[in-house]
Amino acid sequence: GDSVTQMEGPVTLSEEAFLTINCTYTATGYPSLFWYVQYPGEGLQLLLKATKADDKGSNKGFEATYRKETTSFHLEKGSVQVSDSAVYFCALSDRGTGFQKLVFGTGTRLLVSP
Amino acid sequence: DGGITQSPKYLFRKEGQNVTLSCEQNLNHDAMYWYRQDPGQGLRLIYYSQIVNDFQKGDIAEGYSVSREKKESFPLTVTSAQKNPTAFYLCASSISGGRRTVAYEQYFGPGTRLTVT
Repeated sequence: GDSVTQMEGPVTLSEEAFLTINCTYTATGYPSLFWYVQYPGEGLQLLLKATKADDKGSNKGFEATYRKETTSFHLEKGSVQVSDSAVYFCALSDRGTGFQKLVFGTGTRLLVSP
Repeated sequence: DGGITQSPKYLFRKEGQNVTLSCEQNLNHDAMYWYRQDPGQGLRLIYYSQIVNDFQKGDIAEGYSVSREKKESFPLTVTSAQKNPTAFYLCASSISGGRRTVAYEQYFGPGTRLTVT
């Protein structure tokens, strides 16, 4: 079945450092890909998405490019802030199923220190 | 403001008791979902509903039940048959429409943390 693999955390960075969180996926169809963010004690918020190969999703300085050849959707940010500390989830939705099911990775905790 | 509300934020129950978690949305979405989140794990789908009066089991439905009598509401009951009910429960909604070529994002509520002792 479909699956998403994320790098294990926590990822610990200093403010203004460059961030990469790796995400790879396995899917039988042509999935759409998402990054969600979860701040402590809250639900998930959509950060960005990409719906086809070579698409780049971006939001709030975060970017991720849908790479079909490497089945990857790595999250990047050029300069992190303390307020970016959260758990980040990579997810896919296989549009061939006729039903909007999201498959999530296990999440990667990011800790940014001043 | 449109969004999803879940209540209560924290819930405590004794083992053997059924408990119902509330989820309400005013986004006019047809589809609604319940997920369970455990520490160090991703979200796992419990139940989903694509339209009123219809719902389907997700990956971990055993010990849970749902109803969908109104478009806005999708309550989840955690029954005494659920072996390990302590977890963080998240409700979500999205546009529905069967097969399509582009996936719509799901919008999540703030969650309910259930503790059963």
